[in-house]
Amino acid sequence: EIVLTQSPGTLSLSPGERATLSCRASQSDSNSYLTWYQQKPGQAPRLLIYGVSSRATGIPDRFSGSGSGTDFTLTISRLEPEDFAVYHCQLYGSFGQGTKVEMK
Amino acid sequence: EVQLLESGGGLVQPGGSLRLSCAASGFTFSNYAMNWVRQTPGKGLEWVSTISESGSRTYYPDSVKGRFTISRDNSRNTLFLQMNSLRAEDTAVYYCAKHVTGQHCFDYWGQGTLVTVSS
Repeated sequence: EIVLTQSPGTLSLSPGERATLSCRASQSDSNSYLTWYQQKPGQAPRLLIYGVSSRATGIPDRFSGSGSGTDFTLTISRLEPEDFAVYHCQLYGSFGQGTKVEMK
Repeated sequence: EVQLLESGGGLVQPGGSLRLSCAASGFTFSNYAMNWVRQTPGKGLEWVSTISESGSRTYYPDSVKGRFTISRDNSRNTLFLQMNSLRAEDTAVYYCAKHVTGQHCFDYWGQGTLVTVSS
């Protein structure tokens, strides 16, 4: 079973700042299936990025994904008020524990 | 518009059974694999099961294998999850989710249904 470790647990930033979220896998993935979701309180997760770096339909270009092997990154170039949420990474059947992006 | 609507959650005693349903609309249901994913405050998101487009192939993690059964009725555009021998640690919000073809991820999720296993 792949274990995904997300860091940091919480990121405190202001609107307009850049957010960098990390997801590290216990095993290397050569198939590029790393996925990112956004989740707001009381809502289901929303697909953001799939295949490491492909944005899902309707996702603004301030969201970008990168990485390979065991280390992956979600970057939000300039935080908008609606971006404050929890972000989950997924690889095959495993999910990370989530990173909360909160407003400073 | 894709819609997934779960139902069937509730309070059940340890060792009991529950059947969840997910009514799908807005897409050709029979063309997509489907999934169940659950979420607890303490453990986050956990994949529970996947079923192929025709229903001929099913997949489970060890945590639910032998206790949960995923199935689908393509004539009714409905996904099911039969949960038996329920344990306290199965308490969670259960989501059905549409599979992205060719990927290992989910592009549409229902609103979730809460299952509470407690005496």
